[in-house]
Amino acid sequence: SQKIEQNSEALNIQEGKTATLTCNYTNYSPAYLQWYRQDPGRGPVFLLLIRENEKEKRKERLKVTFDTTLKQSLFHITASQPADSATYLCALDRQGGKLIFGQGTELSVKP
Amino acid sequence: KAGVTQTPRYLIKTRGQQVTLSCSPISGHRSVSWYQQTPGQGLQFLFEYFSETQRNKGNFPGRFSGRQFSNSRSEMNVSTLELGDSALYLCASSLEVGNPQHFGDGTRLSIL
Repeated sequence: SQKIEQNSEALNIQEGKTATLTCNYTNYSPAYLQWYRQDPGRGPVFLLLIRENEKEKRKERLKVTFDTTLKQSLFHITASQPADSATYLCALDRQGGKLIFGQGTELSVKP
Repeated sequence: KAGVTQTPRYLIKTRGQQVTLSCSPISGHRSVSWYQQTPGQGLQFLFEYFSETQRNKGNFPGRFSGRQFSNSRSEMNVSTLELGDSALYLCASSLEVGNPQHFGDGTRLSIL
């Protein structure tokens, strides 16, 4: 069955460092992959989308890579800040309109 | 531009009852998706509607149903509520498949 795994449930880093979150998938060939941020009590907020024919996407301090051979996406936040503390979710879609989400990684950035 | 609006924000029901949740998408968005979020299972896809037609469905029992109106507003219904239906129900809208989804803040449903 299709499976999505995010590297860890929690990640603690120091302010100013780069946070790297991992999303691995099996038994799936997504057309595109999305990353979302979710704060407690709120709905997820879209951050970045990368398509299967793209290797890398950037937006300000955020960067996402997509390796369809390794079946893996990496999500980087450079110069991290305490305000970046949240749960980050990756989501895959192949057939359109049916996003499959990972369990999420809770990122904590300490000052 | 107003975001996705879900009502009500909180709801308490008892086992066996039924419930209807409402979602108003962002103006111009025709695709509306529903998700269930629980601590144990995470975010799980329920169904997706486009132009009043259900295009995709997740692996949930028939007690979970939905519909979309001509103005793209959507409702989901859960009948014969069970304790395990306690969850945060999220609605998301997008312009079309392959586009980012914009989520509301959800309806927190508690079953007693």
